[in-house]
Amino acid sequence: GQNIDQPTEMTATEGAIVQINCTYQTSGFNGLFWYQQHAGEAPTFLSYNVLDGLEEKGRFSSFLSRSKGYSYLLLKELQMKDSASYLCAVVDSNYQLIWGAGTKLIIKP
Amino acid sequence: IAGITQAPTSQILAAGRRMTLRCTQDMRHNAMYWYRQDLGLGLRLIHYSNTAGTTGKGEVPDGYSVSRANTDDFPLTLASAVPSQTSVYFCASSERGDFADTQYFGPGTRLTVL
Repeated sequence: GQNIDQPTEMTATEGAIVQINCTYQTSGFNGLFWYQQHAGEAPTFLSYNVLDGLEEKGRFSSFLSRSKGYSYLLLKELQMKDSASYLCAVVDSNYQLIWGAGTKLIIKP
Repeated sequence: IAGITQAPTSQILAAGRRMTLRCTQDMRHNAMYWYRQDLGLGLRLIHYSNTAGTTGKGEVPDGYSVSRANTDDFPLTLASAVPSQTSVYFCASSERGDFADTQYFGPGTRLTVL
């Protein structure tokens, strides 16, 4: 079957750096998304990776290794507003989107 | 309207009742989607539409139906609600009709079936 694994919850300190991992086992691969979802709100797009490597976008970076079935989202200079759930989603060979359960990130002062 | 709107924001419904959740987008996106989100689970696709006039079944379609009469609207109907359909429902859209395109989500409808 198809599976996406993310840690359920992580805690980090304001101003620090945190890395949220996502591993996947899917039938093929056509890209990986990261979305941010604040409590009680809708998911919003953060990044899309289809090639191996690191893509940086301000304080957020996303990394992909297709051979390892692995991605991470790196958040730098953490702010309280970064407290949210982070959803990993993979596009499989049939162009279906498989969603992880999300990682709840708690930022402490 | 800017983006995607959903109505109602929340609803408490008696089991066995019929309910339609509304979704409207003003971005002229081709594709639209309905998801449900339950605690501890990822977003699960209920139904989707790649373009006006076409619909498809997602991962959990049973008990739900959709229609796509025009580009902007994509209503989701529960013909006879059951307690297991208690969930938060999100509508989304994307410019292209494939899942490798960024999806834009509405604010959600919180549905409780008693």
